[in-house]
Amino acid sequence: EVHLTQSGAEVRKPGESLKISCQGSGYTFTSNWIAWVRQLPGKGLEWMGVIFPNDFDTRYSPPFQGQVTISVDTSINTAYLQWNSLKPSDTAMYYCARLSSRGYDIWGQGALVTVSS
Amino acid sequence: SSELTQPPSVSVSPGQTATITCSGHQLGTSNACWFQQKPGQPPILVIYQSTKRPSGIPERFSASTSGNTATLIISGTQAMDEADYYCQSWDSSTDVVFGGGTKLTVL
Repeated sequence: EVHLTQSGAEVRKPGESLKISCQGSGYTFTSNWIAWVRQLPGKGLEWMGVIFPNDFDTRYSPPFQGQVTISVDTSINTAYLQWNSLKPSDTAMYYCARLSSRGYDIWGQGALVTVSS
Repeated sequence: SSELTQPPSVSVSPGQTATITCSGHQLGTSNACWFQQKPGQPPILVIYQSTKRPSGIPERFSASTSGNTATLIISGTQAMDEADYYCQSWDSSTDVVFGGGTKLTVL
């Protein structure tokens, strides 16, 4: 069975760095794009960007360009979302999702990131 | 603000048909997907390629598209269908856009 398993909830202070992960299983990890999606508390879904593990091609939505870094380690079938300097406004649930011919068909369980002093 | 427009809320009585619309210029040239999200859970794909239903999604979920508008249709709505629903499409070459979401209330 296909799964995306995300790392757990994180609490950080403003200005700190953070890297959260998303591990794929049950399929060929390098064959599908992996996207990251933000959901602010009580709000809708926002597409942040996407990476193709096979060649590391990465694209960002304009609001997130320069704010986060998306990367992948194919040796452990894992995608990452990274911040160098968190802000309180980064407090949100973050989902990874697999892109297939059916669209974003598999989603991780989500990782809650809380940024507070 | 979202580039795909959805009504913030839709109410339906149990057993009746719920329709949720999604409009945007992207839908004139790109397919739509629909996601269901219940509180505390990740989104679930319920419609892809504008009208197709993934395996495991009940037959009461269907969709249509016309011009710049996509519509999610839930026939014989059940209490378990109460959730937030999001449409999604593609803008320019690969950028993904979501609708603002519609809260479906079954009462």
